[in-house]
Amino acid sequence: DTEVTQTPKHLVMGMTNKKSLKCEQHMGHRAMYWYKQKAKKPPELMFVYSYEKLSINESVPSRFSPECPNSSLLNLHLHALQPEDSALYLCASSQGTVSNQPQHFGDGTRLSIL
Amino acid sequence: QQQVKQSPQSLIVQKGGISIINCAYENTAFDYFPWYQQFPGKGPALLIAIRPDVSEKKEGRFTISFNKSAKQFSLHIMDSQPGDSATYFCAASRSGTYKYIFGTGTRLKVLA
Repeated sequence: DTEVTQTPKHLVMGMTNKKSLKCEQHMGHRAMYWYKQKAKKPPELMFVYSYEKLSINESVPSRFSPECPNSSLLNLHLHALQPEDSALYLCASSQGTVSNQPQHFGDGTRLSIL
Repeated sequence: QQQVKQSPQSLIVQKGGISIINCAYENTAFDYFPWYQQFPGKGPALLIAIRPDVSEKKEGRFTISFNKSAKQFSLHIMDSQPGDSATYFCAASRSGTYKYIFGTGTRLKVLA
């Protein structure tokens, strides 16, 4: 079992729906990440939160809206998604210091857009 | 210059054999090199990582070899087992950033 928990594991939604992905970690990490992963491809960074503030936005479309309510929780709000947004969405966390620290991934949410 | 090139794309190894996956980078500012293992339906799991001040790091059957002058690093899996069948990603990052640059991945299959 991973120490980064993501819910739901699977999500099917229409292009007009609004849904949210949730991520939780209790390792005391202060950096949290959202990645998108397509089949047979490496993870692509979307957002980074450091100490609950948005640190990096990799030019992600506004239909994806991240939120970090506290140091343990990370949400990704979804609205008006496109079929090409179907992918595995991964959350990760790391200690959050500026020096390199390993990122720990959850098992992801498999998102399908109808 | 931000790329990490990973090879081979796929690899088939007999049980008990050695699996070798290679990565090369251009940016000499990279100073952290992790390897991740990903099973189908799961997230990537950190396997082993190395910093450029050492040339080799071993953890159980997994060894990273690092060649700073050649800007290359590789993962060796000794005594490969069918349970090692997964996709492996190398990555690189540099101090002061949270960004990993991932390789394209290697799908390993270990035959029983």
